[in-house]
Amino acid sequence: AQSVTQLGSHVSVSEGALVLLRCNYSSSVPPYLFWYVQYPNQGLQLLLKYTSAATLVKGINGFEAEFKKSETSFHLTKPSAHMSDAAEYFCAVSDRIGANSKLTFGKGITLSVRP
Amino acid sequence: EAGVTQSPTHLIKTRGQQATLRCSPISGHTSVYWYQQALGLGLQFLLWYDEGEERNRGNFPPRFSGRQFPNYSSELNVNALELEDSALYLCASSLGGGRTDYGYTFGSGTRLTVV
Repeated sequence: AQSVTQLGSHVSVSEGALVLLRCNYSSSVPPYLFWYVQYPNQGLQLLLKYTSAATLVKGINGFEAEFKKSETSFHLTKPSAHMSDAAEYFCAVSDRIGANSKLTFGKGITLSVRP
Repeated sequence: EAGVTQSPTHLIKTRGQQATLRCSPISGHTSVYWYQQALGLGLQFLLWYDEGEERNRGNFPPRFSGRQFPNYSSELNVNALELEDSALYLCASSLGGGRTDYGYTFGSGTRLTVV
């Protein structure tokens, strides 16, 4: 069964600092991988997704992630944090097989940005 | 284009009662997914409906049930409410047939509180 591990539950960075949120996945077949963001009292918004051969994926709000098969990782980065980036971030994995495929989410990481 | 809409936004019920949550998917989406987001537990997959049929369900007791209507909207019913059912219930929609390559589009959720 597919799964996602997001180490730690909380990351705090200073405004302008690098953001790095880690995600490792487990899947028996080549996966699709996603990062979602959730602001307080809202649903999840898609930041970016990996579904093809391009291993470096760029998303919205300056975020990007790199698919590394050898490390089974899909870490999310942003060169310079903004106060508005404070939110909860979820990594998700999906098998590419359609019939019973679904997104399986990690437990999420809360990002705090210090002034 | 209207997004995924969920109603009600908040719901307060007494233990033992029944709750009904509703979801309307994005136009053109035939799949509806339900997730439970309880504090500290991330997103737990509940149910997947596609073309009016239940296609998959997560590890939840049978008192969690639902249905999908001909217009692809969906209803989640939770019977015999327990205190631990208190959570944010998120609905998501996607293209049908179990496709996950576009990810899911989420609604803002229904906050269910059981007292």
